[in-house]
Amino acid sequence: AQKITQTQPGMFVQEKEAVTLDCTYDTSDQSYGLFWYKQPSSGEMIFLIYQGSYDEQNATEGRYSLNFQKARKSANLVISASQLGDSAMYFCVPFHGGSQGNLIFGKGTKLSVKP
Amino acid sequence: DTGVSQDPRHKITKRGQNVTFRCDPISEHNRLYWYRQTLGQGPEFLTYFQNEAQLEKSRLLSDRFSAERPKGSFSTLEIQRTEQGDSAMYLCASSLTSGTYNEQFFGPGTRLTVL
Repeated sequence: AQKITQTQPGMFVQEKEAVTLDCTYDTSDQSYGLFWYKQPSSGEMIFLIYQGSYDEQNATEGRYSLNFQKARKSANLVISASQLGDSAMYFCVPFHGGSQGNLIFGKGTKLSVKP
Repeated sequence: DTGVSQDPRHKITKRGQNVTFRCDPISEHNRLYWYRQTLGQGPEFLTYFQNEAQLEKSRLLSDRFSAERPKGSFSTLEIQRTEQGDSAMYLCASSLTSGTYNEQFFGPGTRLTVL
């Protein structure tokens, strides 16, 4: 079984600054992936970025990037130039390629962007 | 472009009543998932379909819950004899098994309140 730890229940960042949301995981699988999802107060879960365990480079998607350290089993999400609309819950979600695909969510990290 | 849609967005019911939710996935997606999310928690997997076949059900899916995807397109989730503990956000997601990361795209959810 895979376990995800997001140690920061709540984070604050000043608008336009960068913020890092921590995620560590525990898995014995060799092939796996990690998703980051964003959930604003409206409730919809929004896919942000994906990192595969065999990807040689850190994933990037616009203002989102992953600091993936496979040996340390961490996949921290970096949001650059924070915007007020980034205020939301963020979930780091493991994915095992051989699984049926159901995602296992933790409690997430609540990010608040201050103007 | 139509994403995943869910209907209704909100449902208030009295304890003991039956409720039914509908999910319309992204049109070409062959997998459809149901999750439940209670306040302060991440979503919990309930069940998923590949085309019309229900392939996995969580222990959370008691015998009061039933899900169908009769033609491999839209899906319904029915809760019989609702209890106050059923109050939650019910999220539907869809994915394409041949997609880049098999990432799941979520709908806006149906918020259920059982009085």
